[in-house]
Amino acid sequence: QTVVTQEPSLTVSPGGTVTLTCASNTGAVTSGFYPNWFQQKPGQAPRALIYSTTNKHSWTPARLSGSLLGGKAALTLSDVQPEDEADYYCLLYFGGTGVFGGGTKLTVL
Amino acid sequence: EVQLLESGGGLVQPGGSLRLSCAASGFTFSSCAMSWVRQAPGKGLEWVSAINGGVGSTFYADSVKGRFTISRDNSKNTLYLQMNSLRADDTAVYYCAKAAQGSVYHTLGPESWGQGTLVTVSS
Repeated sequence: QTVVTQEPSLTVSPGGTVTLTCASNTGAVTSGFYPNWFQQKPGQAPRALIYSTTNKHSWTPARLSGSLLGGKAALTLSDVQPEDEADYYCLLYFGGTGVFGGGTKLTVL
Repeated sequence: EVQLLESGGGLVQPGGSLRLSCAASGFTFSSCAMSWVRQAPGKGLEWVSAINGGVGSTFYADSVKGRFTISRDNSKNTLYLQMNSLRADDTAVYYCAKAAQGSVYHTLGPESWGQGTLVTVSS
């Protein structure tokens, strides 16, 4: 069974920088897994942030960036704002089948 | 403006069937890959199924394979999810989403999402 793992929770101070990661139990994550990142706030539909590892959508803030880091997909938020407090999910594709990570609850404190 | 409007959710008994629809507008639907993603109450996101644009290759999560069928009617700009043999653990909000950049391939990932429709499987 394919499992995608994210940090369950992270806390960051306003103005700080935080990196969320996304790992696969099958081995290193590469661009061939087409890593995607999404943000979800309570009661709202998810919002896409990053696709194909590093690509931003037109609405994605410039202070957010996607990358590969140490065999994982990563989402880095710089100059964190209070409105960044949310759940973040990564999505990887395995031979065409998608698998979401369990999500990271980001607290801005 | 991209709009995705899901419908068809509701209460169904275990073993029953339901068909979800997603009416799309604001983009070239026929060539765009589409996906279904669900979220059980208080839980995380779960990828369910996708259909590519063009030829329309389909893909399913193991948890729904053999029970759910994704399809599209390009003449109606509508995406469907036929759900059979429903179980209690299928209870969730079901979202439809279009592929990033209007790609024909679903692996670019979901870009724009609908507001979801709730499916409750209970006796």
